[in-house]
Amino acid sequence: EAQVTQNPRYLITVTGKKLTVTCSQNMNHEYMSWYRQDPGLGLRQIYYSMNVEVTDKGDVPEGYKVSRKEKRNFPLILESPSPNQTSLYFCASSARGRTYEQYFGPGTRLTVT
Amino acid sequence: GQQVMQIPQYQHVQEGEDFTTYCNSSTTLSNIQWYKQRPGGHPVFLIQLVKSGEVKKQKRLTFQFGEAKKNSSLHITATQTTDVGTYFCAGRDDYKLSFGAGTTVTVRA
Repeated sequence: EAQVTQNPRYLITVTGKKLTVTCSQNMNHEYMSWYRQDPGLGLRQIYYSMNVEVTDKGDVPEGYKVSRKEKRNFPLILESPSPNQTSLYFCASSARGRTYEQYFGPGTRLTVT
Repeated sequence: GQQVMQIPQYQHVQEGEDFTTYCNSSTTLSNIQWYKQRPGGHPVFLIQLVKSGEVKKQKRLTFQFGEAKKNSSLHITATQTTDVGTYFCAGRDDYKLSFGAGTTVTVRA
């Protein structure tokens, strides 16, 4: 089944404790992206990657890191999480082409206390 | 940078009625996409509009892309309880996709 998976789905952590949210897709998509969703703000892009070893900042990259060492994986790293990073995070992937229809993962709800 | 504004933020609809949600961009877009997110779920792609003035229909949903490619609308006729959720527009400029804040739709049976 074609899908985007994220782990963990729920995470409660404390300020400053490094964490990684994994994202994996099995559709051989070149393009992957991370978003955060906050009430009233919609989906804001954090980082995106056009292909292996190619990443770029989205609209809200501060406090986040990403890497794209393999085509299928695009982990999101929070080196020193802060409470303002409490949010719902979505990973998405799409094939290169005319549409760039994005396939979203199920989401990761992160709480930083 | 590119900004995409979406109105209204909330839409409470009587079952069977029609409604429209609007999307406006501060810049000209290469295309616009629409997504639907059910409560507790993830966004799911509905459609993409590319051409100026383009109109596409999916059953009771009608999508329009403005002539200047800076605005779009989604019109739903005869709303059903299955239409509940948040509808997002997303404007694409090169490889970046900017989402509107979404319109959250509730339906009164």
